[in-house]
Amino acid sequence: EVQLVESGGGLVQPGRSLKLSCAASGFTFSNYYMAWVRQAPTKGLEWVASITNSGGSTYYRDSVKGRFTISRDNAKSTLYLQMDSLRSEDTATYYCTREGWERGYFDYWGQGVMVTVSS
Amino acid sequence: DIQMTQSPASLSASLGETVTIECRASEDIYNGLAWYQQKPGKSPQLLIYNANSLHTGVPSRFSGSGSGTQYSLKINSLQSEDVASYFCQQYYNWTFGGGTKLELK
Repeated sequence: EVQLVESGGGLVQPGRSLKLSCAASGFTFSNYYMAWVRQAPTKGLEWVASITNSGGSTYYRDSVKGRFTISRDNAKSTLYLQMDSLRSEDTATYYCTREGWERGYFDYWGQGVMVTVSS
Repeated sequence: DIQMTQSPASLSASLGETVTIECRASEDIYNGLAWYQQKPGKSPQLLIYNANSLHTGVPSRFSGSGSGTQYSLKINSLQSEDVASYFCQQYYNWTFGGGTKLELK
């Protein structure tokens, strides 16, 4: 059974940093692209960042470029999102997702972790 | 960037009814489209990928169709457990539609 379990969320002041983790199990982690998708309270879904299976390439939405860093440790089957210079508009539930084998869509999602940016 | 316009934003339907949700892309996305269901307080779940392929374990009353810029999700014989929000998503820059909130009449 595919499982994605996020951790590391919480309340943080604007301008500070936070690092999310996602522990994956039930599949060969190193074979799949992974991504983070977020959802602000009562809002829609927004893709944040993606990483190739090897970690050699990464992709970001414009609003987080230069502030967020996606990375992975295939030996630990863990995905990360380092979030620096956080803003109030980053407040959201962050979901760890696995990109489907045929790529482009997200076939499994974690339960989500809440990040609140507020003074 | 490719934009996705989803309609309607909300929908009320009766048990057993057939429901259709639409998504329009700002340019041709060549069937690179997925549909997700999100029940209240839960994470999204994949329903359909590649515009018309049913994800593992998804009931056959869900179906996807379309091509070019126009796509749709159809739910046959609506069940109470289908009350949820539904989102489309295109593959090229991973953009989601605005969502459709489906309620029971």
